[in-house]
Amino acid sequence: EVQLLESGGGWVQPGGSLRLSCVASEVTFKYHAMSWVRQAPGKGLEWVSGISGSDPGTYYAASIEGRFTISRDKDKNTLYLQLNSLRVEDTAIYYCAKDRGGKVDTGMLDSWGQGTLVTVSS
Amino acid sequence: QSALTQPASVSGSPGQSVTISCTGSSSDVGTFDLVSWYQQHPGKAPRPMIYEVNKRPSAVSYRFSGSKSGNTASLTISGLQAEDEADYYCCSYVSGGTYVFGTGTKVIVL
Repeated sequence: EVQLLESGGGWVQPGGSLRLSCVASEVTFKYHAMSWVRQAPGKGLEWVSGISGSDPGTYYAASIEGRFTISRDKDKNTLYLQLNSLRVEDTAIYYCAKDRGGKVDTGMLDSWGQGTLVTVSS
Repeated sequence: QSALTQPASVSGSPGQSVTISCTGSSSDVGTFDLVSWYQQHPGKAPRPMIYEVNKRPSAVSYRFSGSKSGNTASLTISGLQAEDEADYYCCSYVSGGTYVFGTGTKVIVL
């Protein structure tokens, strides 16, 4: 059974940075794309970023405006999301999710972690 | 990319059927048969219920079904049960390796 465990969330002031991690068990990164999805308090889901399994393709929602960077360490089976220039509106639970296929093009995120909360506030 | 449009809530009595719509555009739902649906109970992570418009993961009940017509996808829950009360989100692939979620619908079991 696939397990995804996020960490790295916490409180940060506007303009600050955080790095989120997602350790994956029973997942072979080279065969599966991964995504980060966030959910602001009391709001809906928002896809943030994705990374392909077999090639270095990375993808971002337009709303991120170049502030976040997704990456992965295949040897550690760990997915990362570097959050820079954080804004109050970035406050959310950040979930990592496994794609059904090797690229960010299946429309199906079939396994999800429990999320890590990022709070941006002064 | 704007969020796909869903009704804020739908309701039904136990045993009835409810249908949730998800309206996008020719850039997403209308072009790609890559629509998925997720169920989310309060405080829990989303759970996939439908993928590729109308396919069900093996662990999902047959009471959940999906369809699509033009720019609108739909999720139907038949034989509504108390445990179906949750938030539901559609999601579509958008060209360029990105996804877009719907605004979310709360299903209320009366």
